[in-house]
Amino acid sequence: TQLLEQSPQFLSIQEGENLTVYCNSSSVFSSLQWYRQEPGEGPVLLVTVVTGGEVKKLKRLTFQFGDARKDSSLHITAAQPGDTGLYLCAGLTGGFKTIFGAGTRLFVKA
Amino acid sequence: KAGVTQTPRYLIKTRGQQVTLSCSPISGHRSVSWYQQTPGQGLQFLFEYFSETQRNKGNFPGRFSGRQFSNSRSEMNVSTLELGDSALYLCASSPDPNSPLHFGNGTRLTVT
Repeated sequence: TQLLEQSPQFLSIQEGENLTVYCNSSSVFSSLQWYRQEPGEGPVLLVTVVTGGEVKKLKRLTFQFGDARKDSSLHITAAQPGDTGLYLCAGLTGGFKTIFGAGTRLFVKA
Repeated sequence: KAGVTQTPRYLIKTRGQQVTLSCSPISGHRSVSWYQQTPGQGLQFLFEYFSETQRNKGNFPGRFSGRQFSNSRSEMNVSTLELGDSALYLCASSPDPNSPLHFGNGTRLTVT
């Protein structure tokens, strides 16, 4: 069974701090996605990483895919209250099924 | 382009009843997936449909079923509701199996 483990589960930080969220698996994925979900809404895609070692930047967010394509990380620089939300990593399995990590709930205090 | 639309947004049902949830995918998207989201279990995969065929099913009891119509719209049904079925049910569509998912805002089901 393919699983994605995210850490930490919960993060409460002050505005301006940096943070990193991790997504790990014992399985190889052809690609990993990161989503962000806000209360009362469905998850929204932030990025897809495909190539081992790939790094993608989205403004203050930096996403990295591990060389072995088993893990990924999300780094936020100078977090802002607008970054508050649930961050989910996800991977597509071979059976037309995308599985999700349990998520990291981020709260950024002004 | 309109996003994924789920109806209704909120639903309150009593134990033992059944419920049907509806999902209209983004125009042109033929793959529709359903997920159950709870605080304790996160997003759990229910099933995936493509061109009216269920291609994969998650580890849920037979009380959970779904279908997809020729226009790609999808419904899921839960029969004999239990308290533990209270959750946010999310529908997602994608144009093909290898593309990321586009989610609706979900149906919040409360079973009393």
